[in-house]
Amino acid sequence: DVKVTQSSRYLVKRTGEKVFLECVQDMDHENMFWYRQDPGLGLRLIYFSYDVKMKEKGDIPEGYSVSREKKERFSLILESASTNQTSMYLCASRRAYGYTFGSGTRLTVV
Amino acid sequence: QKEVEQDPGPLSVPEGAIVSLNCTYSNSAFQYFMWYRQYSRKGPELLMYTYSSGNKEDGRFTAQVDKSSKYISLFIRDSQPSDSATYLCAMSPDSNYQLIWGAGTKLIIKP
Repeated sequence: DVKVTQSSRYLVKRTGEKVFLECVQDMDHENMFWYRQDPGLGLRLIYFSYDVKMKEKGDIPEGYSVSREKKERFSLILESASTNQTSMYLCASRRAYGYTFGSGTRLTVV
Repeated sequence: QKEVEQDPGPLSVPEGAIVSLNCTYSNSAFQYFMWYRQYSRKGPELLMYTYSSGNKEDGRFTAQVDKSSKYISLFIRDSQPSDSATYLCAMSPDSNYQLIWGAGTKLIIKP
């Protein structure tokens, strides 16, 4: 089975900090995604990548950036964390139609 | 108007009941339809996948697509407490396009 691993389950950061969320997949998938999930709003796409060093903005990219230097790793960066970025962050990889998600990182910005 | 509408619930039913979960959508180009299940503090996992119209059955789960009405359903027979989760619908116009998600319905099966 494909495994998507997110480095942290829970994170607490201070306002203004630079935050790195790491995601690694082990099945050589080309497509990777970062979502945030908030109650009542569902999954919202932040950024996605179709290949190494390639990135595309999703629906809510403001305040975020990404890095994909290796095929298996896709990092989400919060340049200057703010309280409205407190959320559950989910990474996914895809081959064909099926997405495989990590367990998520619950980020709290105080 | 959102492209995909899904009642957030919660939907609470007794164990053994038949559950019906639904999504409506506005984009007639959607061809690929999926249901994901998400347990608390976990990521979503793919439950059912359907291409175009029709029904698909897998054990206690049946997925239906009615493209003429832009309406998809997931039925769960003989529901169990272990089915308690949030169910998200997702769809796309082709297999290479990113998925468009419903907000998810929280389902509670009472023992």
